[in-house]
Amino acid sequence: DQQVKQNSPSLSVQEGRISILNCDYTNSMFDYFLWYKKYPAEGPTFLISISSIKDKNEDGRFTVFLNKSAKHLSLHIVPSQPGDSAVYFCAARRETGNQFYFGTGTSLTVIP
Amino acid sequence: NAGVTQTPKFQVLKTGQSMTLQCAQDMNHNSMYWYRQDPGMGLRLIYYSASEGTTDKGEVPNGYNVSRLNKREFSLRLESAAPSQTSVYFCASSEGTSGGGRFFGPGTRLTVL
Repeated sequence: DQQVKQNSPSLSVQEGRISILNCDYTNSMFDYFLWYKKYPAEGPTFLISISSIKDKNEDGRFTVFLNKSAKHLSLHIVPSQPGDSAVYFCAARRETGNQFYFGTGTSLTVIP
Repeated sequence: NAGVTQTPKFQVLKTGQSMTLQCAQDMNHNSMYWYRQDPGMGLRLIYYSASEGTTDKGEVPNGYNVSRLNKREFSLRLESAAPSQTSVYFCASSEGTSGGGRFFGPGTRLTVL
C-alpha cells in the first residue's frame, strides 16, 4: 500500500519556467517531509524539507508547499534550469517514527 | 571527505549464494540506513541504525541482516539470495533519525539469477 504517491511519472518544462512537482500522502500522522533529487547512477541528494507546523519552506530556487488538509505537498523550482533534469522523490515520516516512506518519483526534463 | 561510500558497485549472484554489502561514512553521523529501489517503486527502508550498537527493522527487512560495526560502518548481509532481491541498494546516513538519511551513497546494483 503506497502511502506516498507521486502520480506524475514525468514532467517536461522549458528552461526559465516554473517546474511544479506534486506529492500526495494518505497517512494523516505524517509530520515531516523531504524532497530528494536523483541523477542516473547516483544516490539521491537531499533538497529541502518541511515540517507539518509550516505550510511553506524556501531555499533558493526551491520552495516546498504543504497543504495538510489536502494531504498534499508540492515542490516549485523557479526558474528551471537544464541541470535540474533528474528524478525527484518526496518522502514522509510519522511523528512517532524514524522511518521515511518514499514516493515513486517524478522524472523532470528541463528543455533548453 | 568521501561522504558515504558503498562497495561493491555491481554484483551478480546465483540463487542461494550469500554476500555482504559494505557501507561507510566519514561525517561522524549517528544514524545509518539501508534502502532498496525497484523499478516503478520508491525507495523502501530495509533496516536502519539510529546509533552505534542499535539496529531496527524498516519496511522490508525479510531476507536481510545488518551489522553496525562501529560508528562509521553499516553492512547489509543477504544470507541466501533470491531473485526477488534483485535491486539497487542504497546506504544513507544522517546526524539524527529525523533526516531519514540526508546523505546517500552511490548505490550497489545487485542481480540475483
